[in-house]
Amino acid sequence: EAGVAQSPRYKIIEKRQSVAFWCNPISGHATLYWYQQILGQGPKLLIQFQNNGVVDDSQLPKDRFSAERLKGVDSTLKIQPAKLEDSAVYLCASSHPGQGTDTQYFGPGTRLTVL
Amino acid sequence: DQQVKQNSPSLSVQEGRISILNCDYTNSMFDYFLWYKKYPAEGPTFLISISSIKDKNEDGRFTVFLNKSAKHLSLHIVPSQPGDSAVYFCAASEGGGSQGNLIFGKGTKLSVKP
Repeated sequence: EAGVAQSPRYKIIEKRQSVAFWCNPISGHATLYWYQQILGQGPKLLIQFQNNGVVDDSQLPKDRFSAERLKGVDSTLKIQPAKLEDSAVYLCASSHPGQGTDTQYFGPGTRLTVL
Repeated sequence: DQQVKQNSPSLSVQEGRISILNCDYTNSMFDYFLWYKKYPAEGPTFLISISSIKDKNEDGRFTVFLNKSAKHLSLHIVPSQPGDSAVYFCAASEGGGSQGNLIFGKGTKLSVKP
C-alpha cells in the first residue's frame, strides 16, 4: 500500500512570496490533516478535512494560509504572503475511521525555508 | 501553554537495556494518548496508543503506561535496539480518539548505543 505522498520535499522562498504544497493521501482515506512542525517543536494541527469538508481549521492563520481538498482526495496548502516565522516542516497525514488501525499516517513532509 | 510536555530532550541507552520515555499532560479532558516515532527526513510513524480507560497497553517490545491521577504516561522499550534510535513524540487527543486533533509534545531523541 502506497503511503502519503507530499511534494515538493524542500522549498526555499523569500518573505512575502507565495508557496503551495501538495498532498496525496493513502487511497480510500477520508480524513486528511495538515500539520506545521517548527524546529524543536512537535507537529501542530493546521486543518483537518473529512472528505472535502473542513472539520477543524481553528489553528489555521487564515489571513495568509489557505487549504483545499476539492474532490475529497488530494489537497493543497498555500501560504500567501510568507513570513520568516513560517519556516517549518509541513506534514500531511491521512486516516480512515474504522479501518483497522485508525491512526493517522504521515507523509515525509515539505521543509519550507523563508529567507 | 504546553498541554503535552516531554521534559527530556534526549535519552541515551545501551543496547539490550530498557528505554523509558516520559510524558506529562495538563488537560484532564484528554482521553486518548499515542506515541509516534520519527526518523530524520521522514514523517512520524505511529507506534502505540492507549485509551484513558486503561492503564497499560503492550505491543511486542513496547509498553505504554498511563497514570491518570498524575497525568503522566511513559513508553517502555525492552530490550532497546540500535534501530530504535529516533525522536519519540507523545501525543494526546480529547474526544476524537486517533482521528481528532492530536496535541504533540516536543519530542525526546533516543539514542541506543551498541
